[in-house]
Amino acid sequence: QSVLTQPPSASGTPGQRITVSCSGSSSNIGSNTVHWYQQLPGTAPKLLMYSTNQRPSGVPDRFSGSKSGTSASLAISGLQSEDEADYYCAAWDDSLNAQVFGTGTKVTVL
Amino acid sequence: QVQLQESGPGLVKPSETLSLTCSVSGDSVTRYYWSWIRQPPGKGLEWVGYMYYGGSSNYNPSLESRLSMSVDTSKNQFSLRLTSVTAADTAIYYCATFFGGNIYGYFDYWGQGTVVTVSS
Repeated sequence: QSVLTQPPSASGTPGQRITVSCSGSSSNIGSNTVHWYQQLPGTAPKLLMYSTNQRPSGVPDRFSGSKSGTSASLAISGLQSEDEADYYCAAWDDSLNAQVFGTGTKVTVL
Repeated sequence: QVQLQESGPGLVKPSETLSLTCSVSGDSVTRYYWSWIRQPPGKGLEWVGYMYYGGSSNYNPSLESRLSMSVDTSKNQFSLRLTSVTAADTAIYYCATFFGGNIYGYFDYWGQGTVVTVSS
């Protein structure tokens, strides 16, 4: 069940900065941390950002995360062709007692 | 670094039981919480559940009545069992480590996934 809403697509030219939004509610993003996953075509998802704005080792600092109220955002600066992928937000939902994922956003580099 | 490899039957008949195994290398299965996530063809991700080798577990409420997970420390593996499958259970199934607990938890290491099709 996708209770976190993301735009289906986002795009930009190389070098541009884009943002991907993730809208939730008080029972998930509003009260818990947000994580982001990157899924390159034909591959398994990979942890991109955890605890809202923490990058795992190896993730470029071009990626940044933020949260405000019941929404979160992932920003990609200096967009590169290798950033073409699907991006999913995720958080724990206290009402559903479940880990929930966003609907996913396909990022295209023009 | 821990590495994960899913295995299981690619095809399961409706109403039967789906069994998948995740083989762990590079670390002990006792060190982590373990989770399954699935992705229907062309769709988004769905959390299936997680468990710890000591027995504590948490399953997606939408699947809980059909789902069980287990850890085999002698083989360094953990497993999923989903009963009474339907076409809606057709998906790529990923195993992953789950770090941080419910409120803060995230999936940090992932397997490559295994495709499961439910069809007669």
